[in-house]
Amino acid sequence: ETGVTQTPRHLVMGMTNKKSLKCEQHLGHNAMYWYKQSAKKPLELMFVYNFKEQTENNSVPSRFSPECPNSSHLFLHLHTLQPEDSALYLCASSQASLQTYEQYFGPGTRLTVT
Amino acid sequence: QQQVKQSPQSLIVQKGGIPIINCAYENTAFDYFPWYQQFPGKGPALLIAIRPDVSEKKEGRFTISFNKSAKQFSLHIMDSQPGDSATYFCAAISTGANNLFFGTGTRLTVIP
Repeated sequence: ETGVTQTPRHLVMGMTNKKSLKCEQHLGHNAMYWYKQSAKKPLELMFVYNFKEQTENNSVPSRFSPECPNSSHLFLHLHTLQPEDSALYLCASSQASLQTYEQYFGPGTRLTVT
Repeated sequence: QQQVKQSPQSLIVQKGGIPIINCAYENTAFDYFPWYQQFPGKGPALLIAIRPDVSEKKEGRFTISFNKSAKQFSLHIMDSQPGDSATYFCAAISTGANNLFFGTGTRLTVIP
């Protein structure tokens, strides 16, 4: 595997379910990110991890819980989501966080909350 | 309030045309401006980026024009091809404040 991979690619969950999104990067980067992409809205930066430490949390509801066990893996734990949380969730990585280094994105997980 | 305003929302051009996508910002702390290209079913990929001390940057058929005093920047695609049909996002980064904001995207269609 190369680049940034995300699993699952599609997820349908009920509002009372608990699920997790997984991201893995094979680029040797130190920073990882979660973004939310909704139709006709800007990509929203949700969380930033630099060397496994969370550095940014842009007012994301607590029903989204990130976890970064090492620099190569990033998870997004989901629980009691709302229908408006349906979106494409993108993971990205870069050499260092939010600097001029290129961010490499995964293909995303399409989440539908019913 | 949107930190980066992008227009138009969609754009259709003939092959060989020069589509232009515009972005504007207010925060003078932004010091790095990348453009990303996204194809359906894929994540965005970096296309080209510019710093505010440069007024123009070219990479292949893609050119960024930057107007620091107007706080505007734009992407021009020369000799556009059907394979350029994608959604394009501008972004603005404040490297000192660790902030990053994207525009809403422009869906480009290049007709053969």
